[in-house]
Amino acid sequence: AQTVTQSQPEMSVQEAETVTLSCTYDTSESDYYLFWYKQPPSRQMILVIRQEAYKQQNATENRFSVNFQKAAKSFSLKISDSQLGDAAMYFCACRRTNFGNEKLTFGTGTRLTIIP
Amino acid sequence: DAGVIQSPRHEVTEMGQEVTLRCKPISGHDYLFWYRQTMMRGLELLIYFNNNVPIDDSGMPEDRFSAKMPNASFSTLKIQPSEPRDSAVYFCASSLTGFGNSPLHFGNGTRLTVT
Repeated sequence: AQTVTQSQPEMSVQEAETVTLSCTYDTSESDYYLFWYKQPPSRQMILVIRQEAYKQQNATENRFSVNFQKAAKSFSLKISDSQLGDAAMYFCACRRTNFGNEKLTFGTGTRLTIIP
Repeated sequence: DAGVIQSPRHEVTEMGQEVTLRCKPISGHDYLFWYRQTMMRGLELLIYFNNNVPIDDSGMPEDRFSAKMPNASFSTLKIQPSEPRDSAVYFCASSLTGFGNSPLHFGNGTRLTVT
């Protein structure tokens, strides 16, 4: 079984500042994928960024980047130049690749508040 | 592409009634997932399908829940009889493949309230 842990139920950041959301995971697989999803008040689940476990280079999508530490099983999300529209719940998730285990396992989420 | 389409967006029903949630996945996607989101338990996988065949239904809470996928473009999640503890947001998601780098695309969810 795989587990995903987000230890920060809530975070806040001043607009235009940088914030890092933490995530740790546990899996026995050597190949897997990690994701961050954003859920704004509209309830929609939006993919923010993904990381392949066998790639050492950290993924980046505009203002969003990750710090992937495979040995430590850590996958944090950094949001630079925070904007009011970044306010949302953020979920870390892990997905294996072998048949019969294609589900996405989520953490409990971090609520991010942006302070104007 | 219209994305994953779920209906209804909101459902309010009385305990004991049958509830049917509907989902249309993205065309061409081979995998379809049903998740439930609650404050207490977060996002839980209920069941998922590959090419219309159920692969893992171990997350279905009990026999009151059933899911079907009669064709590649439609799935239903049925609760009969419904109970107040079933109140939650139910998400449907689809992915192109089962390979790990194929992200899940979610619908807007159905908020179910059972009184």
